[in-house]
Amino acid sequence: AQSVTQLGSHVSVSEGALVLLRCNYSSSVPPYLFWYVQYPNQGLQLLLKYTSAATLVKGINGFEAEFKKSETSFHLTKPSAHMSDAAEYFCAVSEDSNYQLIWGAGTKLIIKP
Amino acid sequence: NAGVTQTPKFRILKIGQSMTLQCTQDMNHNYMYWYRQDPGMGLKLIYYSVGAGITDKGEVPNGYNVSRSTTEDFPLRLELAAPSQTSVYFCASRIQGAWETQYFGPGTRLLVL
Repeated sequence: AQSVTQLGSHVSVSEGALVLLRCNYSSSVPPYLFWYVQYPNQGLQLLLKYTSAATLVKGINGFEAEFKKSETSFHLTKPSAHMSDAAEYFCAVSEDSNYQLIWGAGTKLIIKP
Repeated sequence: NAGVTQTPKFRILKIGQSMTLQCTQDMNHNYMYWYRQDPGMGLKLIYYSVGAGITDKGEVPNGYNVSRSTTEDFPLRLELAAPSQTSVYFCASRIQGAWETQYFGPGTRLLVL
């Protein structure tokens, strides 16, 4: 069965520092991978997704993620954190046979001034 | 193009009352989803639909019912509300294709007392 693991329910970084949010998945076939962001009191919106084209995927707001099949990982990075990046980030996986996404538990990103 | 809309934004229910959470999308998406999000937790799928007249249970369907009579609308019915149903409810939709983006509504915050 598919599963998604996000390491760290909370990650705290200083403004201007590197952001790294970790996501590992289990899938028996090549998956589709997603990162969604949820700002306070809002719904979720897509940050970026991997659909088996380029392994390095660029998203909105300067975020990017790299699909590493050998490590079954899809970690999210941003070179320099901004206060406006404070939000909760969710990793999710899907396969061709799926109607639904399998979601990670989420990581709350805290930005220190 | 309003996307996914949900009503109401917030509701307080007494134990044993019932209510319907409304969800409408204007993007002609055939797939629709209902999730609940409890504090500090990820998303749990309640029900989903792959088209008008077709619905199926997700991970946590007990205490809820859905219907899908049109492509646009996917209401979620709570019968006999319980405190355990206090949560934030999100509706989402997408077109067919496991690689496609899910679009989320702004959520309904429900408090059962």
